[in-house]
Amino acid sequence: DVKVTQSSRYLVKRTGEKVFLECVQDMDHENMFWYRQDPGLGLRLIYFSYDVKMKEKGDIPEGYSVSREKKERFSLILESASTNQTSMYLCASSLIAGASTDTQYFGPGTRLTVL
Amino acid sequence: GNSVTQMEGPVTLSEEAFLTINCTYTATGYPSLFWYVQYPGEGLQLLLKATKADDKGSNKGFEATYRKETTSFHLEKGSVQVSDSAVYFCALWEYNFNKFYFGSGTKLNVKP
Repeated sequence: DVKVTQSSRYLVKRTGEKVFLECVQDMDHENMFWYRQDPGLGLRLIYFSYDVKMKEKGDIPEGYSVSREKKERFSLILESASTNQTSMYLCASSLIAGASTDTQYFGPGTRLTVL
Repeated sequence: GNSVTQMEGPVTLSEEAFLTINCTYTATGYPSLFWYVQYPGEGLQLLLKATKADDKGSNKGFEATYRKETTSFHLEKGSVQVSDSAVYFCALWEYNFNKFYFGSGTKLNVKP
């Protein structure tokens, strides 16, 4: 089974702090994703990466950056946390599909509170 | 552009009732369609998927049929259990964009 792990389940930070959220997958997947989940808004894509050192902006990249130095690890960075970044953060990975389908595998999520 | 629309919740049912959660999509090409489930306090898990028109995905008593003519992928279960209480997300993936598009989620509450 694919396993996607996230470094913390719950995190509390103060406004202005630099925050690192780590995600690791163990199935040699090419693609990795960061989403945030907010009530009534569903999942919104922040950034994704389709290869080491490659990254693409998603729908809401402002205030975030990412790092992918190794294939199995994808980090989300909040350079200066703000209260509007309080949310559930979900990491996912998927294998590049050559044909017609792909499946994302999700980590358990990190609930971040910024005070 | 691509998008997914699903019915707003919450949906509240009694145990053993029939469940339908509607999902419709807009896509420029030939997407694959998915239902994910999120149990309280957890991440999303794949529930079922269908990769082409008229395919039926099924798992744990849930079913959904890929209907290209109505651009729909409605989730159904004949007899829900309390343990099915969760948030259900419809999603599509299109190869050309290499990204997923998720609906906003539908919360299901099943009462004993």
